[in-house]
Amino acid sequence: DVKVTQSSRYLVKRTGEKVFLECVQDMDHENMFWYRQDPGLGLRLIYFSYDVKMKEKGDIPEGYSVSREKKERFSLILESASTNQTSMYLCASSPSRRETQYFGPGTRLLVL
Amino acid sequence: QKEVEQNSGPLSVPEGAIASLNCTYSDRGSQSFFWYRQYSGKSPELIMSIYSNGDKEDGRFTAQLNKASQYVSLLIRDSQPSDSATYLCAVSGGGFKTIFGAGTRLFVKA
Repeated sequence: DVKVTQSSRYLVKRTGEKVFLECVQDMDHENMFWYRQDPGLGLRLIYFSYDVKMKEKGDIPEGYSVSREKKERFSLILESASTNQTSMYLCASSPSRRETQYFGPGTRLLVL
Repeated sequence: QKEVEQNSGPLSVPEGAIASLNCTYSDRGSQSFFWYRQYSGKSPELIMSIYSNGDKEDGRFTAQLNKASQYVSLLIRDSQPSDSATYLCAVSGGGFKTIFGAGTRLFVKA
């Protein structure tokens, strides 16, 4: 079974803090993704990566950056957390383009 | 802007009935179509994928794809209370991105 893990289930941070969200997958998948999910807005793509050290902006990259130093690990960084970044953050991986994405359990982030 | 549209619901059906969930998409170049189920507070999990026109059946679930009309649907037969969840339609074109709909909430009454 594919396993995607995320470093925290719940996180509370203060405005202006730098926040790191970690995601690890154990199936040697090429592609990894970061989404945020908000009520009524569905899943919105923040960044994705199709190879180690490669990254592409998604639909809402502002205020975020990513790092993929190893194939199995994809990190999302909130450079200076703001209250409008309070959300559920979901990491996903897939073996190739157009294939099923497998999701981690999610991190619910609250920025005060 | 490529879009995937779903009725937000809630769709309420009695136990044992057929639940029908629909989704339309705007990108005619779309090639892969997925239905995910998401329980409250949990992450999405894949139910079905479909890549060609017609029906695809897996147990109580049937996905239907009509590329000419740009819609994809999911039928759940013999609905159970455990099927109560939000169902996400997802569409992928030739690139890396998958576009997700906002989801339809399904409630199965016992």
